[in-house]
Amino acid sequence: SQKIEQNSEALNIQEGKTATLTCNYTNYSPAYLQWYRQDPGRGPVFLLLIRENEKEKRKERLKVTFDTTLKQSLFHITASQPADSATYLCALDKRSGANNLFFGTGTRLTVIP
Amino acid sequence: DAGITQSPRHKVTETGTPVTLRCHQTENHRYMYWYRQDPGHGLRLIHYSYGVKDTDKGEVSDGYSVSRSKTEDFLLTLESATSSQTSVYFCAINTGGAGGARGSQTGELFFGEGSRLTVL
Repeated sequence: SQKIEQNSEALNIQEGKTATLTCNYTNYSPAYLQWYRQDPGRGPVFLLLIRENEKEKRKERLKVTFDTTLKQSLFHITASQPADSATYLCALDKRSGANNLFFGTGTRLTVIP
Repeated sequence: DAGITQSPRHKVTETGTPVTLRCHQTENHRYMYWYRQDPGHGLRLIHYSYGVKDTDKGEVSDGYSVSRSKTEDFLLTLESATSSQTSVYFCAINTGGAGGARGSQTGELFFGEGSRLTVL
């Protein structure tokens, strides 16, 4: 069956360090992958999209990699700040079928001052 | 920025009662979606719409119906609410892709603030 796994439910890191979140998938050949941020009680907010032919995408302190051989995406936040504390969701395009996006359950990141 | 308004934001209802959630967008985006979010399951698509009167099922559509009579409004109806439908419901629009063939759009989703529904 198709499956998306985000490395852990929760991740705690020290302020200033780089946070690395993992999204692994099986039985997909996605055309692209997206990352969202979700704060408690709010809707998800789009952060980055990376296509299958792109190895890496950057936006300010964020970096996403996409390895279609390993079936994995890594999401990095450099110089992390307490304001980065949130739940981060990855979402895959299933390429075929009407329901395009399939979401992982998210990783809750806490940046400790 | 796309604007989405969901209403109501919070609702408590009894099992067996009908419930309608409304999603209103201020721009003419073609694709609109209803998701539910539950602990341990992530966001799951209930129904989506690719135009006025054009809708289709998602992965968890049983017990739900939708309607889109105007571009800006997408309604989600629970005909007879059950406790398993207690959840947070999110409406979303696709702001990033042209959308070609039916259901084959790409692009980022813009989500509303959510509607928390409790069915007792």
